[in-house]
Parts: sequence; structure tokens; C-alpha cells
Amino acid sequence: AQSVTQLGSHVSVSEGALVLLRCNYSSSVPPYLFWYVQYPNQGLQLLLKYTSAATLVKGINGFEAEFKKSETSFHLTKPSAHMSDAAEYFCAVSPISNFGIEKLTFGTGTRLTIIP
Amino acid sequence: DTGVSQNPRHKITKRGQNVTFRCDPISEHNRLYWYRQTLGQGPEFLTYFQNEAQLEKSRLLSDRFSAERPKGSFSTLEIQRTEQGDSAMYLCASSGDPRGNNEQFFGPGTRLTVL
Repeated sequence: AQSVTQLGSHVSVSEGALVLLRCNYSSSVPPYLFWYVQYPNQGLQLLLKYTSAATLVKGINGFEAEFKKSETSFHLTKPSAHMSDAAEYFCAVSPISNFGIEKLTFGTGTRLTIIP
Repeated sequence: DTGVSQNPRHKITKRGQNVTFRCDPISEHNRLYWYRQTLGQGPEFLTYFQNEAQLEKSRLLSDRFSAERPKGSFSTLEIQRTEQGDSAMYLCASSGDPRGNNEQFFGPGTRLTVL
């Protein structure tokens, strides 16, 4: 079974500082990987996805993530934090199939706080 | 299209009552997923449909839970004899457009509180 582990349930960074949210996956074969963001009382919004093309993936709102097979990692970064980035972030994994993206398995989430 | 919609947004019920939630997916999508999210956790897969066929159910979906997608469009999730442990956010997502894009788009969720 596939799974993801998010290291750090809470991360605080100063406005303008680097954001780094960690995600490691467990899978017998490289899966599809995703980062979603959730604002309070809202659904999930896709930030970016890795689907076995380029290992460095750029997403919305200035976020990017790098797939590292040797480290089984898919960490999310943003060079300069903005107050609007404060939210809950979820890493997710999906098996690869003929259909493409299947059911998602999520990590437990990382709450990002931005310090003014 | 305005995206995935869910109704109601909030539901408060007493233990033992039945509740039903509705999800309207993006109209051109053929897949519809239900997830459950409890406080402090990530969403957990419950079940999914391809058109009107329910193709997979999680072990989390006890026999008190039933989901339908009768015409391959909207879906309902019913919980019978609710328990306090059913309190959670129930999320719906849809995917699978004619152009081959299979990204899942999520609705805002229905928050269930069982007293």
C-alpha cells in the first residue's frame, strides 16, 4: 500500500522567508504525487502534481516541489513567504494506472503559519 | 461551470438520526469520489464512482453508510443511525474530463456534527 509522511504538523516562517514543507512517500514503484492547500472552511485546492515527467514541478502561487526518487521525497518550497500562504498543506499519493490519477492517499497535513 | 458543489455545508444531528449529503460534480466529469476528513487529519478515501457504477469502497465505509450516483451525475451519501464518531468533514471530488485530464477537483465539503 502507498502512503505519505509529512514531517512537522506545524511550521512557522517569517514573511519573506523560505518555506519548506516536507513529504516522504512509500511505494514499491514511483507513484503520482500531489500537494494540496486547504484554507479554513474550504475544500482542497491543487498546488502542483508530479506525474512522472519533469522532476522539478512548478505550481500555483510561486510554489514548487522536487521529486527525488533516491530519497523518496517530494518536498514543497517557496522562496519568499507571503501572509496569504497561511493554510493547511497536504501531500498526497496516487497509484499509476491506465486511467491516470486514482484515489488519493493523504498525509496528516502541515499547518503553515506566517509571522509578520 | 462553477465547480464541485456540496449541500448542505453544515449539518448538526442527534445520535441515531439518519443524514444525507449531496454532491454535484463538474458536469463533464465521469468520476466522483467521497472522502472523510476528521479534525487534524488528512482526508481519507471512502468510495468512488465511474459514471453510475460504484467501483470501490473503503473498509471505513461501514454498513451504515451508503452512496449512490443514480444517473451518473450527482451523488448522495447517506449515513444511517449516526454515531458521534461520524462527526467529520465529508468531501466530494470529481475528475475525468473528455480531454483526458484526471486531476481531482474538490468541493467545499459538508461538516457533520453528531451530538
